[in-house]
Amino acid sequence: GAGVSQSPSNKVTEKGKDVELRCDPISGHTALYWYRQSLGQGLEFLIYFQGNSAPDKSGLPSDRFSAERTGGSVSTLTIQRTQQEDSAVYLCASSLDWDRNTGELFFGEGSRLTVL
Amino acid sequence: AQSVTQLGSHVSVSEGALVLLRCNYSSSVPPYLFWYVQYPNQGLQLLLKYTTGATLVKGINGFEAEFKKSETSFHLTKPSAHMSDAAEYFCAVSRGGGSYIPTFGRGTSLIVHP
Repeated sequence: GAGVSQSPSNKVTEKGKDVELRCDPISGHTALYWYRQSLGQGLEFLIYFQGNSAPDKSGLPSDRFSAERTGGSVSTLTIQRTQQEDSAVYLCASSLDWDRNTGELFFGEGSRLTVL
Repeated sequence: AQSVTQLGSHVSVSEGALVLLRCNYSSSVPPYLFWYVQYPNQGLQLLLKYTTGATLVKGINGFEAEFKKSETSFHLTKPSAHMSDAAEYFCAVSRGGGSYIPTFGRGTSLIVHP
């Protein structure tokens, strides 16, 4: 596609339910990032995928959070047993690998998650 | 390790006035520095970036920023604000401590008054 696509754009769920957020990166981009944006907190790094390498999961806030990337393309972020503090906008970004890239990330419009 | 500090969560200017958004970074290696803009209900888009070479970089919509190593700063400026510049602006750093994962500041909301 022309840009990074995220779905759903909005998700309202009840506390304790599981949610899945999807990201479809720009074709040819080997790097994929998930960030969380909370009001007044800026962007918090969650997880990074680069090609076939093991993902960098150092930003995941708890073991309720997990992500996978299938076939080096689409990624799914899963939050289990959601809590109210998980409410935020989840942003996905993609980029070329670092051999050909000077660092620009291309962002999707985000998935706004509200946990009641 | 790397970090970014954006001074001021909100900056208010009049249309036509100078825009100055401040960013200071911390990095153990020569950094890559970025400014992104986020309009309401949209994702972030790149305004400009510094990697190597000329320390004054120009971006889209008349914005520019200067990398000052001695001050560890990368402030964003625009000579004359326009109403359409109202948005959230994020400074980011990468390569600090060997990490290519960008670290973002908390953002500065630019408010433009008519």
